[in-house]
Amino acid sequence: GAVVSQHPSWVICKSGTSVKIECRSLDFQATTMFWYRQFPKQSLMLMATSNEGSKATYEQGVEKDKFLINHASLTLSTLTVTSAHPEDSSFYICSAAGSMHVGDTQYFGPGTRLTVL
Amino acid sequence: GQQVMQIPQYQHVQEGEDFTTYCNSSTTLSNIQWYKQRPGGHPVFLIQLVKSGEVKKQKRLTFQFGEAKKNSSLHITATQTTDVGTYFCAGPSMRFGAGTRLTVKP
Repeated sequence: GAVVSQHPSWVICKSGTSVKIECRSLDFQATTMFWYRQFPKQSLMLMATSNEGSKATYEQGVEKDKFLINHASLTLSTLTVTSAHPEDSSFYICSAAGSMHVGDTQYFGPGTRLTVL
Repeated sequence: GQQVMQIPQYQHVQEGEDFTTYCNSSTTLSNIQWYKQRPGGHPVFLIQLVKSGEVKKQKRLTFQFGEAKKNSSLHITATQTTDVGTYFCAGPSMRFGAGTRLTVKP
């Protein structure tokens, strides 16, 4: 099956620094990637939808200037948490779909656990 | 965007008992997807339902899509300890329901 990787798997940073998380589709071209945030024992909250070569579409309440998303190629999307604060600590998961057709199977990455001190 | 509500939030069963989780939407869904997330893991795609009244089976798992395409269910027959995890539904907007956390007592 399709494989999606995420890097790093975990990161600890100081408050005020920026952290970049990479999401790669390893064996297929992902025209659409999704970024989610998940708090312990809670559901996945969709943050933004990213289409290759265009600006990401952010969900209501998600600050686009704080969570910068770049989908520069068909196999790579990045999420940068800028000026991170302790409340940004969470589990960030990306998923990739093979086309822009709504309803295509999403393949999830293993997630990145961010801890901001 | 289309939101899906999911119940129950938790379900604890004895091994061998059946389990059902439900998803509901106030609007018609073009499709619905089901995922399973094991503790400490990431969501894994189980199935997608598209047609009104559709029923699909995967071994002990039965997925249904309502006639009005506003609700869906996942039923597990004779649960096993390997079924432990959280089951999520997601609408076509890729927004997830709250999930149902299943625990199974051996």
